[in-house]
Amino acid sequence: GESVGLHLPTLSVQEGDNSIINCAYSNSASDYFIWYKQESGKGPQFIIDIRSNMDKRQGQRVTVLLNKTVKHLSLQIAATQPGDSAVYFCAEKRGIDARGGADGLTFGKGTHLIIQP
Amino acid sequence: KAGVTQTPRYLIKTRGQQVTLSCSPISGHRSVSWYQQTPGQGLQFLFEYFSETQRNKGNFPGRFSGRQFSNSRSEMNVSTLELGDSALYLCASSRDTLRGEQFFGPGTRLTVL
Repeated sequence: GESVGLHLPTLSVQEGDNSIINCAYSNSASDYFIWYKQESGKGPQFIIDIRSNMDKRQGQRVTVLLNKTVKHLSLQIAATQPGDSAVYFCAEKRGIDARGGADGLTFGKGTHLIIQP
Repeated sequence: KAGVTQTPRYLIKTRGQQVTLSCSPISGHRSVSWYQQTPGQGLQFLFEYFSETQRNKGNFPGRFSGRQFSNSRSEMNVSTLELGDSALYLCASSRDTLRGEQFFGPGTRLTVL
């Protein structure tokens, strides 16, 4: 079936270094991608999104890259801080269907980002 | 602006019982989606409501149902609970059904014994 997956369940980085979290998707009909951050005991928190007509988008300390050719997206976090420790999910959403609604988000399994002091 | 709120935060039920979970979206948001999160299956889409109408449904049995009220508040119901229904149930709201940016609540942790 079609799904969104992440390459690594855990990623450990040194505080101050840049983090890169990867995600592969298989649904070529996906036209919208989102990265969420989930801290322990909380719901997912929106980080940044990107539409399929773009290949790069930048936010505050974060950058999302989309490579539609290989169906890959990544989240780059600059100067990783202890507060960045969380599980990161990529999610995809397909376009509107015949009823005018859009599919719900399809989430990957998540990457647990661990910050080493 | 207040975020998405969910009640109750924690719930313990036994097999065969039913449960109703409540979600209040962000003011002005008309779309409410529900997700189930488990360690094994991750985050899975249950259904989405917009203007009191179910717009989309995920691959869950009919025991899972929901509804949305005129004030956009939503409830989901699970009947005949099974052990495997133990999960974190998350509600997310967005301005409309076409926008991808969804804002999640803290979730309701359901434990079925």
